[in-house]
Amino acid sequence: DIQMTQSPSSLSASVGDRVTITCRASQDINDYLAWFQQKPGKAPKSLIYDTSSLQSGVPSRFSGSGSGTDFTLTISSLQPEDFATYYCQQYNRYPLTFGGGTKVEIK
Amino acid sequence: EVQLVESGGGLVQPGRSLRLSCTASGFTFGDYAMNWFRQAPGKGLEWVGFIRSKAYGGTTEYVASVKGRFSISRDDSKSIAYLQMNSLKTEDTAVYFCTRGSPRGGSSVDYWGQGTLVTVSS
Repeated sequence: DIQMTQSPSSLSASVGDRVTITCRASQDINDYLAWFQQKPGKAPKSLIYDTSSLQSGVPSRFSGSGSGTDFTLTISSLQPEDFATYYCQQYNRYPLTFGGGTKVEIK
Repeated sequence: EVQLVESGGGLVQPGRSLRLSCTASGFTFGDYAMNWFRQAPGKGLEWVGFIRSKAYGGTTEYVASVKGRFSISRDDSKSIAYLQMNSLKTEDTAVYFCTRGSPRGGSSVDYWGQGTLVTVSS
C-alpha cells in the first residue's frame, strides 16, 4: 500500500497568515493527489484534485502543488472558516490511502 | 444541487449484518462511480470501496480489511448505492460516508454525504 505522510500533524496560525501543509507519498503517485477539509462533526469537503485543480466553489486562497512524491497545500491568507483538519489522499493505486491529517488551530 | 444522503446506520452486534444506503439527487446517478469511506471515532479517513458506473462495467474494488465481508451495489433506477456489511467486527465502528467519483472509479471524489454512524458492539 502507498503510505501518505502529512506534516505537521497540527499547527497554530492567525487570521491572515500563509499556511503550508505538506504530504509525502511512499512512491510516485503520478500527481493523483487530492486534498480535503473537515470540520468537527461534519463530512469532509473536497478542495483540490489532481494535485492542483480546485473543486468548484473552492476559494482561490487554496492552492495545491507538487509532483512525484512531494505535495503541498497552501492557504494564502487564512480565514476564520479555514480552521479545520486537512487530509491528503492518493488515488494512483488501490487501496486509496489518506494522510493522517493536519489540524489547523487558532493561535 | 447535488445531494447524497446516507441511511441505515445503527447499533449492531459483532458478526451480524447491516446494509447502508446512499440516496443521490441533483445529477445523473448512473453516469458516476460511487465510493464509500469511513472514519472511526477520533480517527482519520479510510477508503472502503467503490462501484464503477455501468459504462465501466459496474465493477467494484475494496480495501483489504473489508474484502469478502462488504459488498457495494447500485440501483441506477432509484439513484441509490448500497453498502452491504456482513460479519461485522468491532473495528468496523465508524461514520460511513458515500461520495461521487468519476465514471471509471478510483479517482478523485467531489461531493460527500453527511455520513451515517455504525456502531458494532455487544
